[in-house]
Amino acid sequence: EAGVAQSPRYKIIEKRQSVAFWCNPISGHATLYWYQQILGQGPKLLIQFQNNGVVDDSQLPKDRFSAERLKGVDSTLKIQPAKLEDSAVYLCASSRRLSGTTNEKLFFGSGTQLSVL
Amino acid sequence: QQQVKQSPQSLIVQKGGISIINCAYENTAFDYFPWYQQFPGKGPALLIAIRPDVSEKKEGRFTISFNKSAKQFSLHIMDSQPGDSATYFCAAKGAGSYQLTFGKGTKLSVIP
Repeated sequence: EAGVAQSPRYKIIEKRQSVAFWCNPISGHATLYWYQQILGQGPKLLIQFQNNGVVDDSQLPKDRFSAERLKGVDSTLKIQPAKLEDSAVYLCASSRRLSGTTNEKLFFGSGTQLSVL
Repeated sequence: QQQVKQSPQSLIVQKGGISIINCAYENTAFDYFPWYQQFPGKGPALLIAIRPDVSEKKEGRFTISFNKSAKQFSLHIMDSQPGDSATYFCAAKGAGSYQLTFGKGTKLSVIP
């Protein structure tokens, strides 16, 4: 089966600019996640969708980050305005269904590497 | 607040040797402990996972050892190969929770 698709692969912007990332999950996967991975650290969950509804966005800096998953399939993550500390790899992941009482396997995309100058 | 502490930060092992990576957690509500493997330029991929009702799980050359009383778990890679060179992340998830908490990762280099 096709994996999680993400684009662009790399993005370089200046601080205060805006940027958007796109993710297409594995077909049929109901749950979609956006993670931020800063160099030298493990991934940190930003937001989690079940179909097109938000399950958890408690760690999303809502003053500058936004995400949507229209029609319950692909998703976009936007940063506006970007700060230097937003430099990281943004990973999208999907799973068949919501992982709560069950331990669903997460499938990660290759990520978008963002550099904010 | 780092809820999952992983060590060492980096590890060099000779081909054929045993690689051991350790993780410790504080939250006793965690009930699912996966390990992810990440190659450069790729996203993490699930390697093996364990629940706290067992003390060990083995899949091929990869084994998780789990010590519930000590709140520690470890990944053992037997007969380590150069192709195992990657960054390994331990993680944990609480019962009924949706969120995985990752450790900071261990960069493993297996030298011929």
